[in-house]
Amino acid sequence: SQKIEQNSEALNIQEGKTATLTCNYTNYSPAYLQWYRQDPGRGPVFLLLIRENEKEKRKERLKVTFDTTLKQSLFHITASQPADSATYLCALDVNYGQNFVFGPGTRLSVLP
Amino acid sequence: NAGVTQTPKFQVLKTGQSMTLQCAQDMNHEYMSWYRQDPGMGLRLIHYSVGAGITDQGEVPNGYNVSRSTTEDFPLRLLSAAPSQTSVYFCASSSPPRGGAGRTYEQYFGPGTRLTVT
Repeated sequence: SQKIEQNSEALNIQEGKTATLTCNYTNYSPAYLQWYRQDPGRGPVFLLLIRENEKEKRKERLKVTFDTTLKQSLFHITASQPADSATYLCALDVNYGQNFVFGPGTRLSVLP
Repeated sequence: NAGVTQTPKFQVLKTGQSMTLQCAQDMNHEYMSWYRQDPGMGLRLIHYSVGAGITDQGEVPNGYNVSRSTTEDFPLRLLSAAPSQTSVYFCASSSPPRGGAGRTYEQYFGPGTRLTVT
């Protein structure tokens, strides 16, 4: 069956450290994968996209990797700050931008 | 630009009642989608549309209807509300994935509608 998982429901880290979130999937072949941030009571907000032929993408303190052999994406936030505390969702494009499948999310807490 | 707007923000229904959740976008996006979000289950796709007059079912379509008469609007109808439809509903819009490598094709989400069915 098709499944998408994110490493843990919640992750606590100390301010200044690097947060690493994992997205694993089975039985999908996405053309690209996206990461979103969601704050309580708000809709998700797009952060980064990585294509199947890209290994790594960076944007300021954010880095995403995509391994289509392992069927895994890693999302890193370097020099984390309390303002980075939020739920992070990965999303697979499974139909050329028409359909997305979302993971359950990881709630990140950055402790001062 | 207002982006994606949703109304109402909150709604309480009794079992068996019907209602329409409104969604509008002003970015001229071709694609629009409805998701529901439940604790521990992430966002699940209910229905989606790739253009005016074209709709299709997502993962969890039962109990919901949609129509797309204009590019801007994509209402979601609950035909006969059930307690299992208690959830937070998000509408999203995006452009199709064409164009150069710099395009990101991200979805823009509305603020959500929190629906409780008693």
